Amino acid sequence: GAVVSQHPSRVICKSGTSVKIECRSLDFQATTMFWYRQFPKKSLMLMATSNEGSKATYEQGVEKDKFLINHASLTLSTLTVTSAHPEDSSFYICSARDEAGEGDEQFFGPGTRLTVL
Amino acid sequence: AQTVTQSQPEMSVQEAETVTLSCTYDTSESNYYLFWYKQPPSRQMILVIRQEAYKQQNATENRFSVNFQKAAKSFSLKISDSQLGDTAMYFCAFIPGTASKLTFGTGTRLQVTL
Repeated sequence: GAVVSQHPSRVICKSGTSVKIECRSLDFQATTMFWYRQFPKKSLMLMATSNEGSKATYEQGVEKDKFLINHASLTLSTLTVTSAHPEDSSFYICSARDEAGEGDEQFFGPGTRLTVL
Repeated sequence: AQTVTQSQPEMSVQEAETVTLSCTYDTSESNYYLFWYKQPPSRQMILVIRQEAYKQQNATENRFSVNFQKAAKSFSLKISDSQLGDTAMYFCAFIPGTASKLTFGTGTRLQVTL
């Protein structure tokens, strides 16, 4: 199957700083990528849909100015958590949609664990 | 809006036995896809099996098979000959044919024991 990478796998930062997480589709092009947040022992919560060359679409309740998304190429989307606070600590997962594949399958990155001190 | 319900928060099965995880969904769409994803302790999401709603035949992938009951909006996952490596969280997910956003269930934590 298609491979999606995320970098970094884990990051620890101080409160008030910004953190950028990268999501790359390694062997396919993805005009659409998705960013999820997962709390411990909970399901994935969709934060936003990242669209190549256009603005991201955010889910209700997600602050677009806090979680900046950029999808500048067909293989890369970035999520920047601005002015991070301890409550932003979580596991962030991206996925990429392989439009050449079947059934709208999404391939997931390995996730990024963010800890804000 | 679509909803996906997994009524079993946790399940346990002995190695080599068979276990069935339940999933129900609610939608007004006629065309859609259903998925089961596995999330092991590594937290990497892995696609286990997919089902297209327009296909009557139940999907199978080696030891994994589904019981898709479209009228009842039920999509259960059967794992045969359970292995220790099957220990994971299992998420049922739904996507309408006209959109690309996945809706996940709350998950079932499966523990395979010796």
